[in-house]
Amino acid sequence: EPEVTQTPSHQVTQMGQEVILRCVPISNHLYFYWYRQILGQKVEFLVSFYNNEISEKSEIFDDQFSVERPDGSNFTLKIRSTKLEDSAMYFCASSELGRTYEQYFGPGTRLTVT
Amino acid sequence: TQLLEQSPQFLSIQEGENLTVYCNSSSVFSSLQWYRQEPGEGPVLLVTVVTGGEVKKLKRLTFQFGDARKDSSLHITAAQPGDTGLYLCAGARAIQGAQKLVFGQGTRLTINP
Repeated sequence: EPEVTQTPSHQVTQMGQEVILRCVPISNHLYFYWYRQILGQKVEFLVSFYNNEISEKSEIFDDQFSVERPDGSNFTLKIRSTKLEDSAMYFCASSELGRTYEQYFGPGTRLTVT
Repeated sequence: TQLLEQSPQFLSIQEGENLTVYCNSSSVFSSLQWYRQEPGEGPVLLVTVVTGGEVKKLKRLTFQFGDARKDSSLHITAAQPGDTGLYLCAGARAIQGAQKLVFGQGTRLTINP
């Protein structure tokens, strides 16, 4: 069964460093999303992406964050200058045209900022 | 602000018992999703409900969307230890286009053998 994959599974970085989290969405999906989950808290929406553009972003998704679809398969989240409070699980999700509410999540990248 | 409140937050019952968990909001959602999440993993989609009053069954799990599309419930019949996990509800407001899912805080279910 097709699935969303994410790399790396765990990333440790120092405060102020740039990180890029990578995702390969399900191949026939056209809508892509990033969510994050701080330990013990709710899953929170960060950004949605369609047709090479951001569709919607949350207040969390400030100028330090960016997303890109550099080729036909990858979808990336970049954090330019990480802060301690960016430590969280980051989930990529994708959905197909016509059923965009059915989002399939990847296994996540655990980001630890020290 | 759209909020989804799940209750109970924690539930521990014996194998074979029935249980219901709830997902409530003051806002109307166009659809509601139920996910299950294991520790350190991503949410796994169980079901989507889109029509007010809709009932969907997945083996021993029954999902219902409230008539007003503001609430949902998950009922498990004859719970088994394999049902142990974190159950999340998530709602979408839009009908089409890219969706922002709003998640509840989850119900952590433990089924004791």
